[in-house]
Amino acid sequence: GAVVSQHPSRVICKSGTSVKIECRSLDFQATTMFWYRQFPKQSLMLMATSNEGSKATYEQGVEKDKFLINHASLTLSTLTVTSAHPEDSSFYICSARDIQGYGYTFGSGTRLTVV
Amino acid sequence: DAKTTQPPSMDCAEGRAANLPCNHSTISGNEYVYWYRQIHSQGPQYIIHGLKNNETNEMASLIITEDRKSSTLILPHATLRDTAVYYCIVRAPPSLGGTASKLTFGTGTRLQVTL
Repeated sequence: GAVVSQHPSRVICKSGTSVKIECRSLDFQATTMFWYRQFPKQSLMLMATSNEGSKATYEQGVEKDKFLINHASLTLSTLTVTSAHPEDSSFYICSARDIQGYGYTFGSGTRLTVV
Repeated sequence: DAKTTQPPSMDCAEGRAANLPCNHSTISGNEYVYWYRQIHSQGPQYIIHGLKNNETNEMASLIITEDRKSSTLILPHATLRDTAVYYCIVRAPPSLGGTASKLTFGTGTRLQVTL
């Protein structure tokens, strides 16, 4: 089946630095990828929709200059958290849709801790 | 996308069937019912989806009422590894080859399988 690889699985960074998270579709092409954020004991909240070759669409309240999304190929999307602060500490999850099907496959998530 | 209502939590004894209900009274004609689950600190996992007929796969069965206003996910023989948060999502399927629309998660049902 479709597999989405997300790296890193865990990252600890200092406040003020930037962190890049990669999301790769391993055995299928994905024109659209989604980035979610999940705080403890809460549900997944969609941050942005990433379309290959075009600008990402951000959900209301998500700062596009802070959460930079790049979807340069049909198999890779990246999320960069710029100037990270402790309140950005969260579980970030990506998802990709197979352009040949109807399914949404999720990555295993990235636990970001900003100290 | 139609809103769904799920009980916040349920318990189930190992080996017994787990029946997880979902209300989606505002579902429209072209909307499917999707079920995902999220095991602690992992990305969501697709379980099953359906439109109006009951569906079964190797993981679970999906029973949709005739009026489509509610559904039940059935795990026939729950194991400890089925302990997770289960999300019922109602949405129209993305058009084949077209732009994928987002998947919105509610609060889900936290299923605890016990010995």
